Amino acid sequence: GIQVEQSPPDLILQEGANSTLRCNFSDSVNNLQWFHQNPWGQLINLFYIPSGTKQNGRLSATTVATERYSLLYISSSQTTDSGVYFCAVGGIYAGNNRKLIWGLGTSLGVNP
Amino acid sequence: DAGVTQSPTHLIKTRGQQVTLRCSPKSGHDTVSWYQQALGQGPQFIFQYYEEEERQRGNFPDRFSGHQFPNYSSELNVNALLLGDSALYLCASSLDGGQTQYFGPGTRLLVL
Repeated sequence: GIQVEQSPPDLILQEGANSTLRCNFSDSVNNLQWFHQNPWGQLINLFYIPSGTKQNGRLSATTVATERYSLLYISSSQTTDSGVYFCAVGGIYAGNNRKLIWGLGTSLGVNP
Repeated sequence: DAGVTQSPTHLIKTRGQQVTLRCSPKSGHDTVSWYQQALGQGPQFIFQYYEEEERQRGNFPDRFSGHQFPNYSSELNVNALLLGDSALYLCASSLDGGQTQYFGPGTRLLVL
């Protein structure tokens, strides 16, 4: 099955700093989403981005499907950005195209 | 517009018992997926329901079963609970044909 690797596993930032999170996947996908999980466990969908680039405020994401990676950029980080960021992908083949396969996440802490 | 809701929020059971978790999808959504998230891990896909039928399943034993009702709400049942079933159980809803999944707050299950 598809393997999803995220890096770095942990990241500590000072408020105001920028960061880049990476997601590598091992096979072709037709679905890629970035999520933020807050300390209480709630998962929030940040981007649906199987290819291309999107921006939403201080966050942006780029997926290069041909090279099987995606990047999540966080600019001018705030303490409320703390939590775990997950990349999840869905394969293109019947039987695995409806379930999301998740990485282990990047745990981000932003200090004031 | 109500988002995805789950009940109960927390649950404590003992080994061998059975548990039922409930999920109401986001308004307008007809597809429900269930995930198990162990501490420090990414979510693992359990199964997906559409039109009251299980249409895709992850690598979980038959002790895990589910149901979807005509109003699209769903239940996850786990029989013969094991200590290793302790986890956060997440429900996600989506619109069939759509790729973005929206998650509920989860149910934290502790098996003693």
